[in-house]
Amino acid sequence: GENVEQHPSTLSVQEGDSAVIKCTYSDSASNYFPWYKQELGKRPQLIIDIRSNVGEKKDQRIAVTLNKTAKHFSLHITETQPEDSAVYFCAASWTLFGNEKLTFGTGTRLTIIP
Amino acid sequence: DTAVSQTPKYLVTQMGNDKSIKCEQNLGHDTMYWYKQDSKKFLKIMFSYNNKELIINETVPNRFSPKSPDKAHLNLHINSLELGDSAVYFCASSQVGARGNTIYFGEGSWLTVV
Repeated sequence: GENVEQHPSTLSVQEGDSAVIKCTYSDSASNYFPWYKQELGKRPQLIIDIRSNVGEKKDQRIAVTLNKTAKHFSLHITETQPEDSAVYFCAASWTLFGNEKLTFGTGTRLTIIP
Repeated sequence: DTAVSQTPKYLVTQMGNDKSIKCEQNLGHDTMYWYKQDSKKFLKIMFSYNNKELIINETVPNRFSPKSPDKAHLNLHINSLELGDSAVYFCASSQVGARGNTIYFGEGSWLTVV
């Protein structure tokens, strides 16, 4: 089965600086790579995703890069703000009969220092 | 107008009891899931259903039995609760489409077994 590793497990950055979270996956059949943000006591919410036919995707201050050959993908947050503090999960997925079989990374607790 | 709603939000119960968590989605999605998030925040898929049919059934004790009366509902019944069952259980749904199979999570059900 798929195995997703995520690093670092905790990350503290000064407000305004950039944050980078990295993930690797094992199953070359995976073709969908979403990132979820989970605030304390809340549900995971999708912030950005990328499909295997794309190398990079950007949405305002967040961007994701994918290297299919090396089986790794990264989340980049620029100009960090206090509201970016949360746990971030990467995931890798392939579709089985219309169902996304998402395997999550172990999460990164991001703290933005004002 | 909550997209994926689950009840109850909090549940405290004694070991050995049987309990159910209900989930409903009003997004018109064909696929629904149950995920478990343990105390270390690991998110793992338990089950997925597509149009009431079980598609994904991860290694979960058979004390856990999902039931999907229709494609908008996926309930989770747990027999003979154990201390290790304490976790947050997230229901989710998705739909195959041009934008990809984005998974939308419910708000979670906090289960505490004492």
